[in-house]
Amino acid sequence: AQSVSQHNHHVILSEAASLELGCNYSYGGTVNLFWYVQYPGQHLQLLLKYFSGDPLVKGIKGFEAEFIKSKFSFNLRKPSVQWSDTAEYFCAVFAGNNRKLIWGLGTSLAVNP
Amino acid sequence: NAGVTQTPKFRILKIGQSMTLQCTQDMNHNYMYWYRQDPGMGLKLIYYSVGAGITDKGEVPNGYNVSRSTTEDFPLRLELAAPSQTSVYFCASSLGTSSYEQYFGPGTRLTVT
Repeated sequence: AQSVSQHNHHVILSEAASLELGCNYSYGGTVNLFWYVQYPGQHLQLLLKYFSGDPLVKGIKGFEAEFIKSKFSFNLRKPSVQWSDTAEYFCAVFAGNNRKLIWGLGTSLAVNP
Repeated sequence: NAGVTQTPKFRILKIGQSMTLQCTQDMNHNYMYWYRQDPGMGLKLIYYSVGAGITDKGEVPNGYNVSRSTTEDFPLRLELAAPSQTSVYFCASSLGTSSYEQYFGPGTRLTVT
């Protein structure tokens, strides 16, 4: 069965630190990949997405992600985090003809000022 | 566009009561989804629909029912509320076919006591 794995469940950083959140998926065919963010008390919002083309994708608020097909990975990065990046981050994959997204369990990020 | 709207925002139910969570989208999206979110458990898909008149079960459909009589509306029905249904419920929609990016509503926080 298709699955998405987010390696880090809880991450604590200080402001200005660099961030990398891991995401791996299990599916050998064509995929569409997403990172969503959920700020405290809010709904999920799209950070960035990959459908095809350049495997380095830039999203909102300075986030980027790199699709590495050989590693089945789509890691999220930000060079310098801010306190306002405190949130939960979800990786999701659309694969095959599922007609729905497969979600990771999320990573909770806390940024200390 | 209002996007995806959900009502109510909060609700407290007694065990055995029933209620309907409303979800409406004004983006003419074909696909709609209902998720529940519990702390540390990520998003669990309850039901989804790929068009008016078509619904299908997700991972955790027991205790819930849905209908999709119009493109815009996708209500979720709880028939006999149980404490295990205490959760935050999110409705989402996507265009489908060419784009599987999901747009989320603000959520309904439900407590069953």
